[in-house]
Amino acid sequence: EVQLVESGGGLVQPGRSLKLSCAASGFTFSDYAMAWVRQAPKKGLEWVATIIYDGSSTYYRDSVKGRFTISRDNAKSTLYLQMDSLRSEDTATYYCARQVGPFDYWGQGVMVTVSS
Amino acid sequence: DIQMTQSPASLSASLEEIVTITCKASQGIDDYLSWYQQKPGKSPQLLIYDATSLADGVPSRFSGSRSGTQYSLKISRPQVDDSGIYYCLQSYSTPFTFGSGTKLEIK
Repeated sequence: EVQLVESGGGLVQPGRSLKLSCAASGFTFSDYAMAWVRQAPKKGLEWVATIIYDGSSTYYRDSVKGRFTISRDNAKSTLYLQMDSLRSEDTATYYCARQVGPFDYWGQGVMVTVSS
Repeated sequence: DIQMTQSPASLSASLEEIVTITCKASQGIDDYLSWYQQKPGKSPQLLIYDATSLADGVPSRFSGSRSGTQYSLKISRPQVDDSGIYYCLQSYSTPFTFGSGTKLEIK
């Protein structure tokens, strides 16, 4: 059974950093691209970043480029999102997802609140 | 960026109706279009991929189609459990973009 479990969320002040993790199991992690998708409270879904299977290429939405870094450790079957210079508009539930073109499996999500 | 214009924003339907939700892409996306269902407090679930293919375990009352750059999700004889918010996604090019969502209530 495919499982994706996010962790690392919480309350953080504007301008500070936070690192999210996503532990994967039930599939060969190193064979798949992975992504982060977020959802602000009461809002729709927004793609954040994607990393290909071996980590050699990454893609970001413009609003997080230069502030967020997606990475992976295939030996640990874990996906990461390093979030720096956080802004209030980054407040959202962050989901990790397996990407096969579409996002076919999603984690349960982790909440990030950016507020002073 | 590719814009996905989703409609309607909300709708209410009975068990006997056919429900149709549409997403129009601002340019061609070569059928890299998927549909998701999200229930309150839960993560989204994949329903349809490549515009018309049913994801594993999804009931056959769900189907997808395309006409030009307009994509449709149809639910035939919906169940009460189909209530939720539905999103389309284009994964043709970055930034990948979702539609704004359709809130569906089945009475």
